Amino acid sequence: EAQVTQNPRYLITVTGKKLTVTCSQNMNHEYMSWYRQDPGLGLRQIYYSMNVEVTDKGDVPEGYKVSRKEKRNFPLILESPSPNQTSLYFCASSLSRTGGFRDTQYFGPGTRLTVL
Amino acid sequence: KQEVTQIPAALSVPEGENLVLNCSFTDSAIYNLQWFRQDPGKGLTSLLLIQSSQREQTSGRLNASLDKSSGRSTLYIAASQPGDSATYLCAVRPTNFGNEKLTFGTGTRLTIIP
Repeated sequence: EAQVTQNPRYLITVTGKKLTVTCSQNMNHEYMSWYRQDPGLGLRQIYYSMNVEVTDKGDVPEGYKVSRKEKRNFPLILESPSPNQTSLYFCASSLSRTGGFRDTQYFGPGTRLTVL
Repeated sequence: KQEVTQIPAALSVPEGENLVLNCSFTDSAIYNLQWFRQDPGKGLTSLLLIQSSQREQTSGRLNASLDKSSGRSTLYIAASQPGDSATYLCAVRPTNFGNEKLTFGTGTRLTIIP
């Protein structure tokens, strides 16, 4: 089944304790992205990657890191989490700009992160 | 900077009615526009994608239109059902390859009243 998976789905942590949220897709997609969703602010892009070893900042990259060493994986790293990073995080992927339905964005189920 | 607006923020309609959700964007230089639905506590599910060269797309009871020059898109839902209750989001992708900053609207929370 074609899908985007994220782990963990729920995470409660404390300020300053490094964490990684994993994202994996099995559709051989080139383009992957991370978003955070906050009430009243909607979905905002954190980082995106157009292919292996190619990443770029979205609208809210501060406090986050990403890596793309393999095509299928795009982990989100919080080196020193703070309470303002409490949010719902989504990973997404698409085939890239080939036109038509293949540009469709597929989303993971989300990771709810709480930083105390 | 691209801004995407969805009005109203919430909408309640009786079951069986047809309805229209609105999405407007400030920069018409878009590659495509996508409509999603989000159920509470869950991820986003793609409904329809319209390329910038297209005027509309249809899937079942859903029809999405795009007027790029005026910066507007609508999602038409025919014969609404309680299962259509969800938050609907639109998102635009920029034209220039290499700029992949998708911009989302804040969504319209739709409630279908049985």
